[in-house]
Amino acid sequence: QVALRESGPALVKATQTLTLTCSLSGSSLSTNGMSVSWIRQTPGKALEWLARIDWDDDKYYAPSLKTRLTISTESSKNQVLLTLTNMDAVDTGTYFCARTTVVTNDNYFDPWGQGTLVTVSS
Amino acid sequence: SYKLTQPPSVSVSPGQTARIPCSGDELGDKYVSWYQQKPGQSPLLVIYQDSKRPSGIPERFSGSNSGNTATLTISGTQALDEADYYCQAWDSSTYVVFGGGTKLTVL
Repeated sequence: QVALRESGPALVKATQTLTLTCSLSGSSLSTNGMSVSWIRQTPGKALEWLARIDWDDDKYYAPSLKTRLTISTESSKNQVLLTLTNMDAVDTGTYFCARTTVVTNDNYFDPWGQGTLVTVSS
Repeated sequence: SYKLTQPPSVSVSPGQTARIPCSGDELGDKYVSWYQQKPGQSPLLVIYQDSKRPSGIPERFSGSNSGNTATLTISGTQALDEADYYCQAWDSSTYVVFGGGTKLTVL
């Protein structure tokens, strides 16, 4: 059974770069068809998809954040990394990783990790 | 960019049917998924590809999608169904889009 767990700093300063780690268990990132996305939730509860990486290293980013985001894998550790540059107060929220099922004209997310809360301070 | 709109709140009496709408331009031409989120928990997939239920999701959860509106229906609503519900779709320009969420209150 696939499980995901996020980790990273709880507090970052404005203008700094955030790096988050998603650790995958129960399956391998290199398995044909495996995809993982990062999704965040603002304090107001809105969900926002950020990025996705596929088993063949294809990468996709939310257009509004593309210039600030990088998604990558550490295959040996079965981990997915997300970096977000130039952090701002509006980036405060809970960051989730989720296994992503990718089919023609559809993506959906199951399961999700427990999330990690990131607060941006000035 | 593509947008999905949900009402902020829906109320239902125990045992009754709850219907949560999600609207978007020609949404019926897209696949819609639904997620349930209870306080302090991660979102849980309850419906995918408009009307399919993942393993372990009760039969009282169903979905439909036509025209500009997708609907999550909960039949025989129970107190434990009280949660926030989010719709989600895939769009070729924005990739993944979520609705703003609907708080379901079981009175």
